[in-house]
Amino acid sequence: DGGITQSPKYLFRKEGQNVTLSCEQNLNHDAMYWYRQDPGQGLRLIYYSQIVNDFQKGDIAEGYSVSREKKESFPLTVTSAQKNPTAFYLCASRSRPGILFFGSGTQLSVL
Amino acid sequence: SQQGEEDPQALSIQEGENATMNCSYKTSINNLQWYRQNSGRGLVHLILIRSNEREKHSGRLRVTLDTSKKSSSLLITASRAADTASYFCATEGANDYKLSFGAGTTVTVRA
Repeated sequence: DGGITQSPKYLFRKEGQNVTLSCEQNLNHDAMYWYRQDPGQGLRLIYYSQIVNDFQKGDIAEGYSVSREKKESFPLTVTSAQKNPTAFYLCASRSRPGILFFGSGTQLSVL
Repeated sequence: SQQGEEDPQALSIQEGENATMNCSYKTSINNLQWYRQNSGRGLVHLILIRSNEREKHSGRLRVTLDTSKKSSSLLITASRAADTASYFCATEGANDYKLSFGAGTTVTVRA
């Protein structure tokens, strides 16, 4: 089954805690993206990576960190510096024509 | 930054009717794409139209692009209950690999 796998589906963060959201793809795509979606709103870009060992900040990178050590994996860490982390997080990879393939998302809530 | 803005924010139609939604954007683009999102799920790509194209069809979907007005429209013909979802336009800038999403149009198709 080809696609993007995000885990976990639901995640709870305690105050002061860092949490990591997993994103794996087996589509052999070079570029991967993390978006944040708040209720009733569009997607805002957090970080993106066009190639292994390289990544760039998106529009709302503060309080988040990423790594891209393998082509297949692009984990997102929500740090304690992110004061309003409750949101739906979406990971995507990009095909050559520029189409994004999305995972099923992770809902992060604060305890 | 959210480049695209969809209009209307919400749309309720009867099964069998057509649904039209519009997207406006601000800067030069390589292409414009439409995505669909069912509640609590990831986005699914529907159609891509390049900046040098004016109209494109895919099944019951028709997309137009007017680069002089920086606007696009998505028409869903003969709507079905299964078309109930949120629809987002996304633009790829002329000089980068980032897709910027609008806030979406929520479409409800009544049986």
